[in-house]
Amino acid sequence: QQQVKQSPQSLIVQKGGIPIINCAYENTAFDYFPWYQQFPGKGPALLIAIRPDVSEKKEGRFTISFNKSAKQFSLHIMDSQPGDSATYFCAASMPNFNKFYFGSGTKLNVKP
Amino acid sequence: NAGVMQNPRHLVRRRGQEARLRCSPMKGHSHVYWYRQLPEEGLKFMVYLQKENIIDESGMPKERFSAEFPKEGPSILRIQQVVRGDSAAYFCASSLRAGSGLAGRETQYFGPGTRLLVL
Repeated sequence: QQQVKQSPQSLIVQKGGIPIINCAYENTAFDYFPWYQQFPGKGPALLIAIRPDVSEKKEGRFTISFNKSAKQFSLHIMDSQPGDSATYFCAASMPNFNKFYFGSGTKLNVKP
Repeated sequence: NAGVMQNPRHLVRRRGQEARLRCSPMKGHSHVYWYRQLPEEGLKFMVYLQKENIIDESGMPKERFSAEFPKEGPSILRIQQVVRGDSAAYFCASSLRAGSGLAGRETQYFGPGTRLLVL
């Protein structure tokens, strides 16, 4: 059973566009939602994370929007660049966590 | 400050052989996590270890897989009698401490992974 559902599977945008990646969850015990960025041949790297007591968090060009009632959260990349081309994973964990539940990933291609 | 190190980066095994994957956590980190990533899929949690203790192995297959994190040396993920379905990327992550549920989360830093191919 997929604890965290992610869409779309792949995404192509032009440089400067704003790709949006969406995730949904069912388990209301989740209370920490990170996003990871993974380049080919590399391990995932933490990009930004949010807790459900806030509806939005920005770090540089990356923004997480969180809708607690809908149990959905999304990643927006402002002014996207070709260097942002990577696979993005959302994840969720519970209090006193010891593991993350990952979405299936979104492969982003930003065209010059 | 070296990050999480994993070796080998690539491992080829024939069916029935054993695979040993090693993970050296970041300096000062005593919490290690192993995840498996199948092609075109997200990471799936396997096991969480602290020094000399397995804390949570709920994601580990019941047979053929084992993990350890000894007092000295790297964490080892061991797969006995490998089958083709074991072919995947195996990632190790480490953190300084586990989440408290109160003060936020300790970031998990991931290694570059070991890509296992079973022929």
